[in-house]
Amino acid sequence: QKEVEQDPGPLSVPEGAIVSLNCTYSNSAFQYFMWYRQYSRKGPELLMYTYSSGNKEDGRFTAQVDKSSKYISLFIRDSQPSDSATYLCAMKDGGFKTIFGAGTRLFVKA
Amino acid sequence: EAGVAQSPRYKIIEKRQSVAFWCNPISGHATLYWYQQILGQGPKLLIQFQNNGVVDDSQLPKDRFSAERLKGVDSTLKIQPAKLEDSAVYLCASSLNGAGETQYFGPGTRLLVL
Repeated sequence: QKEVEQDPGPLSVPEGAIVSLNCTYSNSAFQYFMWYRQYSRKGPELLMYTYSSGNKEDGRFTAQVDKSSKYISLFIRDSQPSDSATYLCAMKDGGFKTIFGAGTRLFVKA
Repeated sequence: EAGVAQSPRYKIIEKRQSVAFWCNPISGHATLYWYQQILGQGPKLLIQFQNNGVVDDSQLPKDRFSAERLKGVDSTLKIQPAKLEDSAVYLCASSLNGAGETQYFGPGTRLLVL
């Protein structure tokens, strides 16, 4: 079993839709949870960073962490074609190593 | 603020050849990471430096991969000899001090081994 599981998609939605992206994990020691966005032929860029359980909102993006279920989500409201990218979840325990999910490819159609 | 720089951007080699990648992190960042990202997968950490010391190289195939970070700034990652399965994007990232800090990624080097 992988430490972090993420559906690779692709996920295709119309412009303006609410997008839900999810990851599950098995290591209960994970404390830091991140979402990265990766455009084609670019390096990942950090979108959201949360510590422990709860919600965090930043503009059109909301990150949720449910440690009891070992489940994290990223919601994108009013999705735009410019949101088309691969979204990577990532997590780490109190140490240095970050474990990434495989990424979900998202396509937002105009 | 300049981002993480990597070169070359693309490299095509034949199996059993050697190749080297270069990374210049963001100025002042003590921690430098090399990741391997195979098509359709997330980045996998190969090696992590704190200044010029190695923090974690548990997933680095040491029989063929080597990395160094002389003077705690620039870093090079070398593969010798390359195998077909080394075809991937090699990403360099840096962070201020490692633990709990945001990682900033470079654009990556796309390697194709024929």
